[in-house]
Amino acid sequence: DAMVIQNPRYQVTQFEKPVTLSCSQTLNHNVMYWYQQKSSQAPKLLFHYYDKDFNNEADTPDNFQSRRPNTSFCFLDIRSPGLGDTAMYLCATSRDSGAADTQYFGPGTRLTVL
Amino acid sequence: GNSVTQMEGPVTLSEEAFLTINCTYTATGYPSLFWYVQYPGEGLQLLLKATKADDKGSNKGFEATYRKETTSFHLEKGSVQVSDSAVYFCSPNSGTYKYIFGTGTRLKVLA
Repeated sequence: DAMVIQNPRYQVTQFEKPVTLSCSQTLNHNVMYWYQQKSSQAPKLLFHYYDKDFNNEADTPDNFQSRRPNTSFCFLDIRSPGLGDTAMYLCATSRDSGAADTQYFGPGTRLTVL
Repeated sequence: GNSVTQMEGPVTLSEEAFLTINCTYTATGYPSLFWYVQYPGEGLQLLLKATKADDKGSNKGFEATYRKETTSFHLEKGSVQVSDSAVYFCSPNSGTYKYIFGTGTRLKVLA
C-alpha cells in the first residue's frame, strides 16, 4: 500500500542534543510537510517542500531545519532541542498545492526532550 | 488569513447516539473543506471533504455539507459506535499552503 512512513515512532533526546526525524513516502507526491502537534492542540505547520523548493513558516524557530534529498524522503532536524519542543511531529504529503488536494499523514514521531 | 472555530470537547455519547460537531470558518478565496480524524497514537487521516458550495462529503456514515452562506461545515453521524472514539479536526484549505486546523474535538463513545 502506498503510504507515509515516519521513523522512529518514539524518540527521547536530551536537552540541546541534536535530533533528526525522518519521513518517507511511496505516493510520489510533490509536496511534503512537517507539523508540530503539542498535547491536545491542533497541528501547526512548520514548513513544507514543493519538490525541492523549501518554504518556511514565519514563526518556525530557527532551531528547526529540514532537508529533502529526493522525492521520497524528508528530514526534520532540531539542532538544539529545548524542553518546549516535546511534541508529536507529523509528516504529511499532498499530490499538489490546490485547494482540493488531500493531505496524507504519517503516524507521527513522538519526541520527548529531557 | 484563514481561521476555523470548532466546537470544544470532549463530547461523550452513548453508542447509537446522534453526533454533531460544529465547525465554522473564515477563508480567503473559495476554500475546500475537510474533516480529518485522529485515532489514539496515530496521525491524521481524511474522513471526508467537500470542494464547492452545497456539496456533501460522506464516509463511514459521517456527513458534512458545505454551507457557503453560513461558512459552516458541521459533521454529523446518525448512530455512533465505540470505534468512532477519536479526535476530529475541521480544516479549510484555500490552496495557498495556509493549512490550518481547528483545535480538535475529542469524541468518546461509551458502550
